[in-house]
Amino acid sequence: DGGITQSPKYLFRKEGQNVTLSCEQNLNHDAMYWYRQDPGQGLRLIYYSQIVNDFQKGDIAEGYSVSREKKESFPLTVTSAQKNPTAFYLCASSSRTSGGTYNEQFFGPGTRLTVL
Amino acid sequence: AQTVTQSQPEMSVQEAETVTLSCTYDTSESDYYLFWYKQPPSRQMILVIRQEAYKQQNATENRFSVNFQKAAKSFSLKISDSQLGDAAMYFCAYRSANYGGSQGNLIFGKGTKLSVKP
Repeated sequence: DGGITQSPKYLFRKEGQNVTLSCEQNLNHDAMYWYRQDPGQGLRLIYYSQIVNDFQKGDIAEGYSVSREKKESFPLTVTSAQKNPTAFYLCASSSRTSGGTYNEQFFGPGTRLTVL
Repeated sequence: AQTVTQSQPEMSVQEAETVTLSCTYDTSESDYYLFWYKQPPSRQMILVIRQEAYKQQNATENRFSVNFQKAAKSFSLKISDSQLGDAAMYFCAYRSANYGGSQGNLIFGKGTKLSVKP
């Protein structure tokens, strides 16, 4: 089955610790995205990547880091610099058209991160 | 910068009836895409319907249809014959069609929680 997987589903961390959220896709999509969802806030873009070994900051990148060493993988690290990391994190991907634009985004099932 | 506004934090509908969710957006661009996503209690985001701004015809997907008013920058979602499985958060989203570094990125509204009464 083609799709996007995120692991783990639930994650707990202590204050001051870095933690990495996994996102893998087997859709052969070029672009991948990380969103944060808080109650009443909708989804906000953290980072995105349109090609391997390249990524761009979104609206709320502070305290987060990413890598894109493989087309299929786009892990997100929540660092100790992120002051309020407890949230639901969603990964998405989209394919590029022959004309160079992007198709709609498909989402993974998400990871719920709780800081204790 | 583009913004998306959903003015109804919560809505309720009786099973088998019709409900309309509102969405307005602000942009200076002429070419863009609009989407409605559904997020059920499982929290999986599911694409419901998509509208290209250059198309005058409103998009339809089975029981879901939109009313796209480009001049008014309005993009409402109508759900007909509501079913219990339609209960979810619904998010309106905007995406630029212009080429550039951020093309492909979605801008979301804050969502509308839809309840369906049996």
